[in-house]
Amino acid sequence: DIVMTQSPDSLAVSLGERATINCKSSQTVFYSSNNKNYLAWYQQKPGQPPKLLLNWASTRESGVPDRFSGSGSGTDFTLTISSLQAEDVAVYYCQQYYTTPVTFGQGTRLEI
Amino acid sequence: QLQLQESGPGLVKPSETLSLTCTVSGGSISNSNYYWGWIRQPPGKGLEWIGNIYFGGTTYYNPSLKSRVTISVDTSKNEFSLRLSSVTAADTAVYYCAKGATGVGYGDWGQGTLVTVSS
Repeated sequence: DIVMTQSPDSLAVSLGERATINCKSSQTVFYSSNNKNYLAWYQQKPGQPPKLLLNWASTRESGVPDRFSGSGSGTDFTLTISSLQAEDVAVYYCQQYYTTPVTFGQGTRLEI
Repeated sequence: QLQLQESGPGLVKPSETLSLTCTVSGGSISNSNYYWGWIRQPPGKGLEWIGNIYFGGTTYYNPSLKSRVTISVDTSKNEFSLRLSSVTAADTAVYYCAKGATGVGYGDWGQGTLVTVSS
C-alpha cells in the first residue's frame, strides 16, 4: 500500500497569512505515460463530507478559490493557501489515486 | 447537479452485516466515465477507503476489509450498495458514498450516515 504522510498534524495561521501543508507518499504517484500526479487534496469542515479541492496535485476543481494552490511531483506535495480566510478553517487531506488501495493522509487541522 | 444520498440502519449488532445504499440523482450511474466508492470515517478520525465499483461491475476493495466487503450496483434503481459482514465496534463510523471520474478523485459525496455497531 502507498502510505500518505501529512505534516504538520495541526497548524495555526493568522488571517491573511499563508498556510502550507505537506504530503509525502511512500511511492511515486506520477504516471510518466501522461505526466500526471495522481494526487488529490480535500477540505473537510465539521459535520460535512470532504470537498475535492485539487486533482492532479495542482488542478483546482471548478469554484475553488484561487488562493488554494498545489505543487509537487513524484512523492512530495504541498497545498498552499495564499491568504487565509476564516472559512478555510478545516481539516485537509491528501489522497493518492495512483493505485488501489486508495489511501489518504491522516489529515492536517488548520486553525486561525 | 449530481447528488448522492446514503441510506440504511444506523445501528447494527456485532457479528451482523452492515448494509447501506447510495441513491444517485441528477445523473446516470451507468456513465462509463464515473466510478463509485465507499469511504468511512470513525468518529474523530481520518478517512478510510473501503472500495470502488467501476462501469461494467469491476470492484476493488481495501485489503484490510476485502474478506468482509461487497459493493454492487443496481442500474435499474440508479443506486449502489455496500455490505460489510461480521461487524465489530471498530466498524463504527460515518459511511460516505462518493463519485469519482476517470483519472480524478471523488468530486461528489453524500452527506454521510453514522453507523454504530453495538448490542
